[in-house]
Amino acid sequence: GENVEQHPSTLSVQEGDSAVIKCTYSDSASNYFPWYKQELGKGSQLIIDIRSNVGEKKDQRIAVTLNKTAKHFSLHITETQPEDSAVYFCAASEEYGNKLVFGAGTILRVKS
Amino acid sequence: KAGVTQTPRYLIKTRGQQVTLSCSPISGHRSVSWYQQTPGQGLQFLFEYFSETQRNKGNFPGRFSGRQFSNSRSEMNVSTLELGDSALYLCASSYNERTGGSKDTIYFGEGSWLTVV
Repeated sequence: GENVEQHPSTLSVQEGDSAVIKCTYSDSASNYFPWYKQELGKGSQLIIDIRSNVGEKKDQRIAVTLNKTAKHFSLHITETQPEDSAVYFCAASEEYGNKLVFGAGTILRVKS
Repeated sequence: KAGVTQTPRYLIKTRGQQVTLSCSPISGHRSVSWYQQTPGQGLQFLFEYFSETQRNKGNFPGRFSGRQFSNSRSEMNVSTLELGDSALYLCASSYNERTGGSKDTIYFGEGSWLTVV
């Protein structure tokens, strides 16, 4: 089955710097890759997603890139702010179903 | 538009008891899936329901079960609770019309925190 690896497990950046989190997946049939942000005591909030028919997607300070050949995708956050501090999860799924396989998560700390 | 709603938010149960958690998907969404989140195992898929039928199932024992009603609301049940069942249980919904596009985006609720003592 699908396996998703996520790195790094923790990431500390200075406010205003960029943060990059990387994930690799194993199943070439996976074609939907969402990223979720989880704050303490809360569920997972979708922040951006990408499908395998595109290589990059951007939404304000957040971007995701996908390399299907290498089977990896990355989350890029620019101009980080303290409120970006949270746990970020990547996931992979075949598009026509709701089974998401998650990475282990990255704790992002933005220092002001 | 209301998001995915889960109830109860917090509950404490005793070993051996059973528990039922409820999930109301986003209006119009027909697919509901459940996940268990623990510090040791991370986020793991439990099962998915679409149009009242279980469409996919993860690797959990038979003590974990679920169902979906005609209005797409879903419940999951855990019988004979064990200490290791203590976790955050997350519900997610999607339109999932099998045509791709933005309708297939998956949204999560805030979860139900279960503590087994």
